[in-house]
Amino acid sequence: RKEVEQDPGPFNVPEGATVAFNCTYSNSASQSFFWYRQDCRKEPKLLMSVYSSGNEDGRFTAQLNRASQYISLLIRDSKLSDSATYLCVVKSGGYNKLIFGAGTRLAVHP
Amino acid sequence: GAGVSQTPSNKVTEKGKYVELRCDPISGHTALYWYRQSLGQGPEFLIYFQGTGAADDSGLPNDRFFAVRPEGSVSTLKIQRTERGDSAVYLCASSFRGGGQEKSSYNEQFFGPGTRLTVL
Repeated sequence: RKEVEQDPGPFNVPEGATVAFNCTYSNSASQSFFWYRQDCRKEPKLLMSVYSSGNEDGRFTAQLNRASQYISLLIRDSKLSDSATYLCVVKSGGYNKLIFGAGTRLAVHP
Repeated sequence: GAGVSQTPSNKVTEKGKYVELRCDPISGHTALYWYRQSLGQGPEFLIYFQGTGAADDSGLPNDRFFAVRPEGSVSTLKIQRTERGDSAVYLCASSFRGGGQEKSSYNEQFFGPGTRLTVL
């Protein structure tokens, strides 16, 4: 079983739609959680950190449920420019290595 | 300012050959990381340097892989006797500092554009 598992996708949605991505992680010692965005043939870039209290950045909302070891990302009012692969990422304790999920591809169409 | 740079951007080699991949981190970043991304997968951790030393090399798949960072800045990932299964995008990242549990921006990892390695 992979340490970080995500919906395989792809998600094809019209502009303006709300889309939710889910992710589970297996290591209960994981301390930090992130969503990264990766455009086709580009490097991953940090989209947002995920906090236990939940956090929002514009149209993006991230949630963390430590008891269920579950992370989510909600994108409201999807834009064409949101089309990308979204990677769920965890980091454990004092170690600085990032553990990535396989990513979920999102395609927003007109 | 300049981001993380990697050279070459593409490398095609034959099975059994030796390759070196170079990473120039963001100036002033003490921590440097190598990851490998296969098609359809997320990046997979290989090795983490804090300064000149490899603080965690648990992700290196076998002894054909080796990385150095002799002066605490530029790093080179070296692959001996390449195999077709080594074909992937090799990503380098750097952060201002490494380690720690806090979600400080000092620990944010910035990725380079990667080197696409193809082993024929």
